[in-house]
Amino acid sequence: SQQGEEDPQALSIQEGENATMNCSYKTSINNLQWYRQNSGRGLVHLILIRSNEREKHSGRLRVTLDTSKKSSSLLITASRAADTASYFCATDSMKTSYDKVIFGPGTSLSVIP
Amino acid sequence: DAMVIQNPRYQVTQFGKPVTLSCSQTLNHNVMYWYQQKSSQAPKLLFHYYDKDFNNEADTPDNFQSRRPNTSFCFLDIRSPGLGDAAMYLCATSRGWVAGEPEQFFGPGTRLTVL
Repeated sequence: SQQGEEDPQALSIQEGENATMNCSYKTSINNLQWYRQNSGRGLVHLILIRSNEREKHSGRLRVTLDTSKKSSSLLITASRAADTASYFCATDSMKTSYDKVIFGPGTSLSVIP
Repeated sequence: DAMVIQNPRYQVTQFGKPVTLSCSQTLNHNVMYWYQQKSSQAPKLLFHYYDKDFNNEADTPDNFQSRRPNTSFCFLDIRSPGLGDAAMYLCATSRGWVAGEPEQFFGPGTRLTVL
C-alpha cells in the first residue's frame, strides 16, 4: 500500500496567492521530504523535516509535520509562475530500509500569471 | 559541478530488444536509486544500492536488472522491453540515512520509448 498520499491532486492559483498541499502517510516515519518536478525533468529536493520536528522554513516554503495525524503540509507563499510544477512528498518507513522512500502521487500546481 | 548524469536522455528501442540505461555521479554518494515514472504518476522505486549492497523491490519485474560496478556508476538493464515499460527512468543518489543526509539528488532522466 502506498505510504504517502497528496491532496489536492491538482491546484490552480493566481500569481501572488499562497498554495497549500497536504500529504498523509500510513506508517511511522523517520523523516518526510518534499520534492518538485518540472515537466519532463528530474525531481529537485525542496525540504526535509524529521519526525521530531513540527515546522521548517526555507525561503517561501513552510512545511509542517503532525506525526499524531500522520500528515504534513507544504505552503508556498507569494507564488510565482515559475512555481508551476508537480510537488511530491516522500516518506521513509521505520519498518523497511531507511534509505528507501516512497513517493506520493503528487500535486500538480499551476500558477497563473 | 557535482551532479547526477544520465545517458542517453532519450532512448528508443524495439519490443523485446535489450536496452541499457546508465547513470553516473560525481557526488561520491553511497546510495544510488533507480525509479520508473509513467506519465502523471509518482516515481516508483525499482532498486537501490547502499554501496554494493543491492536492494530489489518485491514488485520489480525480473525483466529489470541492475549493476553497480563502482561508486560512480549504475546501470539499468531491461532484458526484453515491453510496451508497458515505456516510461521515464530516473536515477538518484544520496549520502544515506546513516550519514544523516537522506535527501536525494536526481538526474534529468532517460525517456524510454518502446516500438
